[in-house]
Amino acid sequence: EAGVAQSPRYKIIEKRQSVAFWCNPISGHATLYWYQQILGQGPKLLIQFQNNGVVDDSQLPKDRFSAERLKGVDSTLKIQPAKLEDSAVYLCASSFITSGPTNEQFFGPGTRLTVL
Amino acid sequence: GESVGLHLPTLSVQEGDNSIINCAYSNSASDYFIWYKQESGKGPQFIIDIRSNMDKRQGQRVTVLLNKTVKHLSLQIAATQPGDSAVYFCAESPGNTPLVFGKGTRLSVIA
Repeated sequence: EAGVAQSPRYKIIEKRQSVAFWCNPISGHATLYWYQQILGQGPKLLIQFQNNGVVDDSQLPKDRFSAERLKGVDSTLKIQPAKLEDSAVYLCASSFITSGPTNEQFFGPGTRLTVL
Repeated sequence: GESVGLHLPTLSVQEGDNSIINCAYSNSASDYFIWYKQESGKGPQFIIDIRSNMDKRQGQRVTVLLNKTVKHLSLQIAATQPGDSAVYFCAESPGNTPLVFGKGTRLSVIA
């Protein structure tokens, strides 16, 4: 079974530039998550989708971050404009059925963003 | 690959010894807990979970212990192997809400 795919794996940008990350979840997984992992910390949930609807985006900095999952499959996360403190690994995860945390989440390899 | 974290608590163990990784969780309402393993350059990988109505759960070479009185979770790895070297995170969830991850512990296995 193919895992969660993410691209790009690495991205370096200047502050105030824009960047987008892409995620393709495991086939059939209804729930998709985006996490931000700052160096030395655990992942922090940014946004959670079930199919193409947002379940939780309470920790998403909406003034600069946006995410979509238009057809309920792939998702993109965008930062516009980027700040230095956005440097982190952005992880995508998916789970099979509902959005409850007891459904095992499968993580992709992440995109490491460096903002200079 | 890139490092997951440079300033994490580190546990160093000899190959073949048992490892115990500890986690203090914050929310007394949490009723579901998971341990994840994260190798350098990879996303977290599920190891084992436990619900609050249990105090112990065993998997293959791993055991999770839950002490709700002191809000403490531990992961025991038997016969630690070089492939166990990674950063380990505990995560908690109160009442079917999204997971909250702890800061992580780096396990270093000495061959």
